[in-house]
Amino acid sequence: DGGITQSPKYLFRKEGQNVTLSCEQNLNHDAMYWYRQDPGQGLRLIYYSQIVNDFQKGDIAEGYSVSREKKESFPLTVTSAQKNPTAFYLCASSIGDALTRSSGELFFGEGSRLTVL
Amino acid sequence: AQSVAQPEDQVNVAEGNPLTVKCTYSVSGNPYLFWYVQYPNRGLQFLLKYITGDNLVKGSYGFEAEFNKSQTSFHLKKPSALVSDSALYFCAVREGTGGFKTIFGAGTRLFVKA
Repeated sequence: DGGITQSPKYLFRKEGQNVTLSCEQNLNHDAMYWYRQDPGQGLRLIYYSQIVNDFQKGDIAEGYSVSREKKESFPLTVTSAQKNPTAFYLCASSIGDALTRSSGELFFGEGSRLTVL
Repeated sequence: AQSVAQPEDQVNVAEGNPLTVKCTYSVSGNPYLFWYVQYPNRGLQFLLKYITGDNLVKGSYGFEAEFNKSQTSFHLKKPSALVSDSALYFCAVREGTGGFKTIFGAGTRLFVKA
């Protein structure tokens, strides 16, 4: 079955540590996204990538970093510079590329819950 | 700038009654509009979208939504609610000029009582 796989599902981090959340998709989608979800605030866009080796900052990129070395993979690193990293992180993908654009819906993974101890 | 408003934090309906979850949006140009549903500790699932064409859009699980350009609204509806419809619902918008950035509302929690 095609889909998006996020790992780990639960992650605990000590203050000052960097952690990396994995996101893999086998949908052959060009575009991938990372969102952060906090109670009562909906989803906020951290980073997105329209194509391999290219990515753009979203609305809350500070304290996060990403890479897009392969079409299938879009890992997110939560750095020690992120002051309030405890949240539910969602990875998504959509059809579309830099030329054809995209009117398609987002396909989401099951999420990764990060807790800072 | 794009924005989405879901004015109700929570909607309560009785099973079998019609339900409406409200959404208004602001975007330059023609909007692409979406509804998603989220169950506890899960990712979001796509319900339906409006790109162009008929203002009434039908989607998954019996849901539909009505696009109203003059009121900049895209309310989610279902004629007869089920207890299993209880979940968190998100409205989202993307600029129709082809931007990739999708903006989400804060979400509305739907409770359907048996």
